[in-house]
Amino acid sequence: KAGVTQTPRYLIKTRGQQVTLSCSPISGHRSVSWYQQTPGQGLQFLFEYFSETQRNKGNFPGRFSGRQFSNSRSEMNVSTLELGDSALYLCASGTGGQETQYFGPGTRLLVL
Amino acid sequence: GESVGLHLPTLSVQEGDNSIINCAYSNSASDYFIWYKQESGKGPQFIIDIRSNMDKRQGQRVTVLLNKTVKHLSLQIAATQPGDSAVYFCAEKAGTALIFGKGTTLSVSS
Repeated sequence: KAGVTQTPRYLIKTRGQQVTLSCSPISGHRSVSWYQQTPGQGLQFLFEYFSETQRNKGNFPGRFSGRQFSNSRSEMNVSTLELGDSALYLCASGTGGQETQYFGPGTRLLVL
Repeated sequence: GESVGLHLPTLSVQEGDNSIINCAYSNSASDYFIWYKQESGKGPQFIIDIRSNMDKRQGQRVTVLLNKTVKHLSLQIAATQPGDSAVYFCAEKAGTALIFGKGTTLSVSS
């Protein structure tokens, strides 16, 4: 079974721009979660989607948004980029129940 | 603040030694815990999990221990190998979200 895939793997943007990241979960998984990883704050939960609905949300500003499609693929969008948004953005998929989540390789975003 | 944290940011061991990585959690209602390994340039990789109705679970060369009385979690790696060098995170499941500690960097020298 193929793992979680994320595109693009690397991205460079400038302040004020917006960015869209994509995640394809493991086949059969309906839950997709997004996390931000930085050296200072570690791994922080952004949001989780299940069956095209946002089911849970972390403590991030409204500039961070996401969506999920009927095939369970998910996108996250960050608008009006700030320097502090530079991070590794990780996507994780699961079946949606009380079980573990499996992570993709991440998208490394650099905001200049 | 952090709900889940690790006691030591770094741990250095010799190849062949047993490694123990510790983690403390604060939410006594948490009922599911996971250990992940993250190598440089990669996403976190699932190692082992444990539910709160258990106090020990074994995998291949790894054992997770859960002490609910003191809210403590540990990961034991037997016969540590250079390929075990990575950052190790414990995570607690809070609803549908994972809450991570800051991680312990394990360095294995041969």
